[in-house]
Amino acid sequence: AQSVAQPEDQVNVAEGNPLTVKCTYSVSGNPYLFWYVQYPNRGLQFLLKYITGDNLVKGSYGFEAEFNKSQTSFHLKKPSALVSDSALYFCAVRMISGNTPLVFGKGTRLSVIA
Amino acid sequence: KAGVTQTPRYLIKTRGQQVTLSCSPISGHRSVSWYQQTPGQGLQFLFEYFSETQRNKGNFPGRFSGRQFSNSRSEMNVSTLELGDSALYLCASSLAVVGETMVSIPPIYNEQFFGPGTRLTVL
Repeated sequence: AQSVAQPEDQVNVAEGNPLTVKCTYSVSGNPYLFWYVQYPNRGLQFLLKYITGDNLVKGSYGFEAEFNKSQTSFHLKKPSALVSDSALYFCAVRMISGNTPLVFGKGTRLSVIA
Repeated sequence: KAGVTQTPRYLIKTRGQQVTLSCSPISGHRSVSWYQQTPGQGLQFLFEYFSETQRNKGNFPGRFSGRQFSNSRSEMNVSTLELGDSALYLCASSLAVVGETMVSIPPIYNEQFFGPGTRLTVL
């Protein structure tokens, strides 16, 4: 079975500072990894994904994530946070092989303070 | 291209009633998945449909059911509503599911696009 852990319920960062939202995963094979963002009263929006290849993945709105197979992590990062980045962030994993659904972490609420 | 649409956006029901939620995927998408989002449990997978067939099912009681039509539109039904069913129900569509082989689209193209959700309140 696959699972995702987002160890922080809340992350606070000052505007202009770098931000990191942590994610670790557990799968029995090779994973597809995703980050989604949810703004208030909205559905989830896709940010980026790791399928294969370069471990550093660049996505929308200046976000990037680094796949680390040995640490089974896929942390989301941004060099300089904006107030508008404040939202709920979800990490998700799906196995490459087999017919398995997308499994989400519980989410991390990011607050960027001006 | 229009996004995923869900109707209704908001719904209030009482315990014991049943409810049907609707999802229209992005044109051309054949896979539809449903998720329940609650503050305590986060996003939990309900079902995944592809070409009118249920491909995956989450760990929910039989009161939760779904189906997909030939035009890829999907509905989910919850019978005998309980207070704990109050949640945001999200639908997502994608071109394919993992493991699906298509001539022109690689099987990895299962990036999901989410609708705005239906907020169900059970009183």
